[in-house]
Amino acid sequence: SQQGEEDPQALSIQEGENATMNCSYKTSINNLQWYRQNSGRGLVHLILIRSNEREKHSGRLRVTLDTSKKSSSLLITASRAADTASYFCATDAAGGSYIPTFGRGTSLIVHP
Amino acid sequence: EAGVAQSPRYKIIEKRQSVAFWCNPISGHATLYWYQQILGQGPKLLIQFQNNGVVDDSQLPKDRFSAERLKGVDSTLKIQPAKLEDSAVYLCASSSIRGGGADTQYFGPGTRLTVL
Repeated sequence: SQQGEEDPQALSIQEGENATMNCSYKTSINNLQWYRQNSGRGLVHLILIRSNEREKHSGRLRVTLDTSKKSSSLLITASRAADTASYFCATDAAGGSYIPTFGRGTSLIVHP
Repeated sequence: EAGVAQSPRYKIIEKRQSVAFWCNPISGHATLYWYQQILGQGPKLLIQFQNNGVVDDSQLPKDRFSAERLKGVDSTLKIQPAKLEDSAVYLCASSSIRGGGADTQYFGPGTRLTVL
């Protein structure tokens, strides 16, 4: 079974708009990471947020983590056509070795 | 620095045949992962190595899948015999972390397997 589940499954927006996608998970985690996958560049790491952090920024990306709700959100501001991709969250369960579990992903289409 | 290399990029086989995939991680990366990604789903971890030891292989169908990482560098993943449901992209990733803990995974381009 997959630990993280992204929502929505698909998102279609216009260039310049913001895109928000969410990830929910079931068990306590050590860390949560967001990845992007498109046909051109494959699967690429975007950002890592640790369980004791609440918010992180990287360029146009903003990630929040709410461990009480077992959820995370990824915000892409001022989206571009090049942001068109699938976005996945990956979690690793608290305790033990780091074993990542990916969700099913959100498919984002940004129309120019 | 060179990225994670995988070969072949594409493979088409008949069911019940055997197939092998090869991965060369980023130089110096201790941890290597093999994932299976079925169309429309996220990657599913099959096996994780740290150096040449197995950290986790709980989702590897051991009756037909095997993997090894010789000398803690390159790795091969084999399927024997293949089934129709094995059609997927097989991704290899590596990271530099040692002794557990999260780290950025660097993914290869993947091998797209089609089983007819």
